[in-house]
Amino acid sequence: SQKIEQNSEALNIQEGKTATLTCNYTNYSPAYLQWYRQDPGRGPVFLLLIRENEKEKRKERLKVTFDTTLKQSLFHITASQPADSATYLCALDRGGGADGLTFGKGTHLIIQP
Amino acid sequence: EAGVAQSPRYKIIEKRQSVAFWCNPISGHATLYWYQQILGQGPKLLIQFQNNGVVDDSQLPKDRFSAERLKGVDSTLKIQPAKLEDSAVYLCASSLTGTQYFGPGTRLTVL
Repeated sequence: SQKIEQNSEALNIQEGKTATLTCNYTNYSPAYLQWYRQDPGRGPVFLLLIRENEKEKRKERLKVTFDTTLKQSLFHITASQPADSATYLCALDRGGGADGLTFGKGTHLIIQP
Repeated sequence: EAGVAQSPRYKIIEKRQSVAFWCNPISGHATLYWYQQILGQGPKLLIQFQNNGVVDDSQLPKDRFSAERLKGVDSTLKIQPAKLEDSAVYLCASSLTGTQYFGPGTRLTVL
């Protein structure tokens, strides 16, 4: 079955620096991979989707890379701000024509002023 | 545009009792999902509907959980009887073209 690994320990980054989060997966070749942000007491919010034939995707200060050989995605936030502090979730499609998602445990990111 | 609505926001019940959650997706979204999120974990898909038909319920504990989406709009998720391990946040999401929009969730505590 699909297995997704994210560093679930808190990641502390100084304001202004680039935060890099890692998502590794096994036992699967996803058609696409998504990143979500989740704040306490709220549902996840979609950030970016990257397809298997794409190497990199950007949106404002966010960048996602997808290496299907390494089975890894990296999520970067440049010029990080305290408002970027949240839990970031990596998710893969479940395949088989259905587009429900399998999520990792998430990485808790803390941007310190 | 209104987001995904869920109710109640919080529910506390005793084990072996039953409980139901309600979800109203974004207008026009054909696909609706229910996820279970246990504290410290990522959301886990329970069931996916396309209009009023079930697409994927492979991870739904069917001996105690049931869900329906009558008329292809609102949906309810029911647990009967509840167990302690069912304590979690139950998230509803909807989508039109693949991007999933989540509601705020219902936090269930089973005592």
